[in-house]
Amino acid sequence: QSALTQPRSVSGSPGQSVTISCTGASSDVGGYDYVSWYQQHPNKAPKLMIYDVRERPSGVPDRFSGSKSGNTASLTISGLQAEDEADYYCCSYAGSYTVIFGGGTKLTVL
Amino acid sequence: EVQLLESGGGLVQPGGSLRLSCAASGFTFSSYAMIWVRQAPGKGLEWVSGISASGGSTYYADSVKGRFTISRDNSKNTLYLQMNSLRAEDTAVYYCAKDRKPRSADLSGSDIWGQGTMVTVSS
Repeated sequence: QSALTQPRSVSGSPGQSVTISCTGASSDVGGYDYVSWYQQHPNKAPKLMIYDVRERPSGVPDRFSGSKSGNTASLTISGLQAEDEADYYCCSYAGSYTVIFGGGTKLTVL
Repeated sequence: EVQLLESGGGLVQPGGSLRLSCAASGFTFSSYAMIWVRQAPGKGLEWVSGISASGGSTYYADSVKGRFTISRDNSKNTLYLQMNSLRAEDTAVYYCAKDRKPRSADLSGSDIWGQGTMVTVSS
């Protein structure tokens, strides 16, 4: 049950795009199309931004997009805005009502 | 309004016990798998335990297996986490979360989260 691997931090200027990677294994990211991404602002509960690799819940801007190739998933945020500054966590289903989270990536909007 | 509300956190000595509750409202609780996730101070999210919609299947992270027990009472729309033999490393904010897909055998993503309840294990 090792955590998925994410970069510890990424940054970008308003209007730019950033991509956060999430690397796992064939038993989690590579084995299921159940990768999700969460946004967490300080002292707040996580918010679902992407599910099933690339699907957006209602209300999430289409600036947020997800993809997957092999054992690596990615979250891309285009047209960066100040309110996007937060921690982002990837998460993968790993079978039997088990999920594994990434270590988290701090996004700084310069 | 769809909502999850945790309670039961607090300060407990090492070796002690606590029971967390998560009261659900605004959706058909008995149709959804649920999970507990924790976040130690300044750290990332860690999955703790998961339970099927019926409560018949339960799973645990290795770090809590044998010490924690997840359960649910679908008649009361409430999820529980019984925590025994608590250790300092169990100190964290504990969140309950609802999976987005009803009657699913898989976990697709948690679309509703509670506000969290703090558990501090210290002498």
